[in-house]
Amino acid sequence: GQQVMQIPQYQHVQEGEDFTTYCNSSTTLSNIQWYKQRPGGHPVFLIQLVKSGEVKKQKRLTFQFGEAKKNSSLHITATQTTDVGTYFCAGRSGANNLFFGTGTRLTVIP
Amino acid sequence: DAGVTQSPTHLIKTRGQQVTLRCSPKSGHDTVSWYQQALGQGPQFIFQYYEEEERQRGNFPDRFSGHQFPNYSSELNVNALLLGDSALYLCASSRYFTGDLGAFFGQGTRLTVV
Repeated sequence: GQQVMQIPQYQHVQEGEDFTTYCNSSTTLSNIQWYKQRPGGHPVFLIQLVKSGEVKKQKRLTFQFGEAKKNSSLHITATQTTDVGTYFCAGRSGANNLFFGTGTRLTVIP
Repeated sequence: DAGVTQSPTHLIKTRGQQVTLRCSPKSGHDTVSWYQQALGQGPQFIFQYYEEEERQRGNFPDRFSGHQFPNYSSELNVNALLLGDSALYLCASSRYFTGDLGAFFGQGTRLTVV
C-alpha cells in the first residue's frame, strides 16, 4: 500500500536557526499538502503543491515538490517559537483521500 | 461562519461498547472525511462521505461505519470497541470537486477505551 514517510521524526532547533523536513512517498503523487498541528490541536492546512518541481513560499516557509512527484520538503527560515508543532505532509495518488506522513515534531528553543 | 465542529470533545468508553461521533462541516462544504490519529502518529484515513454515500475507505474494519445526512453533517460509529481504538478522531470537510484543497479539520474527539 501507499506509504508516506517523513524525516526527521523530531527536530530541536535554537530560535533563529533554519529547519527542514522531508517527505517521501512510495508512489507517484498527484498532489501533496502540508499541515501544521500544534500540541493538543488539530491539523491546519498550510499549502498544496501540484506541479512537478513546484516551489511555493509563505513568508518564512518554503515548500517544494520533487520533479518525480514522489518527494517534498518544507523549509522554515529563522525559526520562531510560534513555529513549534508537528508538520505533516499528506499525499494523494489519484484516489480522493489523503495519506498523511509520519510527521516531524519541531521544538524551538528560545 | 463556523468552521468544522465535532462532538463530543472527549469520551471514555468501555471495551466492547459502541460509540457515535458527530461532525458538522464548514459552511459551503459538502464532503466529510474521517481520520483516526493515534498518539504520536499522523492521521489515518478512515472513510469519506459525499452525497450521503461512502466514496472512499481506508484500511479499517467493518466495525467502523458512518453516515452522512442531507445537511452534510456526518457521524462515525465504532462497534465492539477495542483498547486500540483509543485515539483522536478527526473530521475534515471540503468541497468534493476541489478534492481536499483547503480541507478544514475539526478539533477532534478524544476517545479513550478502558
